[in-house]
Amino acid sequence: NAGVTQTPKFQVLKTGQSMTLQCAQDMNHEYMSWYRQDPGMGLRLIHYSVGAGITDQGEVPNGYNVSRSTTEDFPLRLLSAAPSQTSVYFCASSERTGGVFPGELFFGEGSRLTVL
Amino acid sequence: KQEVTQIPAALSVPEGENLVLNCSFTDSAIYNLQWFRQDPGKGLTSLLLIQSSQREQTSGRLNASLDKSSGRSTLYIAASQPGDSATYLCAVVGSSGGGADGLTFGKGTHLIIQP
Repeated sequence: NAGVTQTPKFQVLKTGQSMTLQCAQDMNHEYMSWYRQDPGMGLRLIHYSVGAGITDQGEVPNGYNVSRSTTEDFPLRLLSAAPSQTSVYFCASSERTGGVFPGELFFGEGSRLTVL
Repeated sequence: KQEVTQIPAALSVPEGENLVLNCSFTDSAIYNLQWFRQDPGKGLTSLLLIQSSQREQTSGRLNASLDKSSGRSTLYIAASQPGDSATYLCAVVGSSGGGADGLTFGKGTHLIIQP
């Protein structure tokens, strides 16, 4: 039972490079989201999706793009990496409850990104 | 804007003690509250989810309570074990943002259980 799978686990980028963090879930969850975790800041929501074809911004969306073409996949794209995007990124999914609200969240293991 | 505070930031206790972790939130309009555990270098694992209409949830040695009107939740860990050492995070889902709030997280309590 794979749950939420994130790749890559580690990545080093140079300033200005672009890349995509992959997230896949096999639980048929409608709700998927991306968080970044920084020391002293806690986890902050970047983007989320309540179903295929629907995405929306969270608290810190600048510099990131997402798409949701299938229920299973929710990739996060860094358009032009900056040192401020050095962080640990977590993807999470859940069933949708009460309309659009997330229920119990299941997290991936994280992707550790360093931007030089 | 919802703010979630967890006290204490760190806690070290001998094995076998019962302990309480605290979580407070500023906006009582929540849909649910979740407690997570995070081990070093790992993702978050859901421990307990409390819907806004519930007062508490239990799972094994863990009991979480919710007092929405006062903006507080507690996580009670009975008979603590060294394997309980981890960072515990509290998160709330706001009910007023139509889902846009996602989860607002506290910064966590780093718990060490001494053998």
